[in-house]
Amino acid sequence: DAGVIQSPRHEVTEMGQEVTLRCKPISGHDYLFWYRQTMMRGLELLIYFNNNVPIDDSGMPEDRFSAKMPNASFSTLKIQPSEPRDSAVYFCASSPGPREAFFGQGTRLTVV
Amino acid sequence: GESVGLHLPTLSVQEGDNSIINCAYSNSASDYFIWYKQESGKGPQFIIDIRSNMDKRQGQRVTVLLNKTVKHLSLQIAATQPGDSAVYFCAEAQDAGNMLTFGGGTRLMVKP
Repeated sequence: DAGVIQSPRHEVTEMGQEVTLRCKPISGHDYLFWYRQTMMRGLELLIYFNNNVPIDDSGMPEDRFSAKMPNASFSTLKIQPSEPRDSAVYFCASSPGPREAFFGQGTRLTVV
Repeated sequence: GESVGLHLPTLSVQEGDNSIINCAYSNSASDYFIWYKQESGKGPQFIIDIRSNMDKRQGQRVTVLLNKTVKHLSLQIAATQPGDSAVYFCAEAQDAGNMLTFGGGTRLMVKP
């Protein structure tokens, strides 16, 4: 398996634009997580899904952020409108159960 | 370079020496604790975990110690190698949920 695949690897966008980050989890993993990593706040869990259903989105910063998982092999994290403070590395991870989450390479987002 | 540029505590060790990375956790209800390694430009990678009813677990070149009395977790790396240079995160989780809560991380630098 190729592991968790995220795209794009890098995204530079202007403030106010919509940004969509994509994730393909490892086949067979029932859980999918979106994390954000910043210098100030470290690794933060934004939302996670179990069997394509959002379970906990309490980490989503505000209404500008939304995440979907239309099927077991694809998830998106959307920011609309984007702001400079959203600049961070966004990680997607999947796991077959508790504990051992497998992370993707991340998407480095820069909002100017 | 490092994906995030975190200002982290840094541990510098000589190649071949043993390394000890420490972590303090806050949630007494956590059921297990996990160590992750994050190399530059990559997502965190699972190293080893330990359940809360254990105080020691050994892997290949790594040992995790858990002291629940003082809420302290440590990762020992034997015969540290240049490839061990990375940022190390401890994380905690509960059986009831499936969310990992990450600590702030420690940067390990191995001098040849």
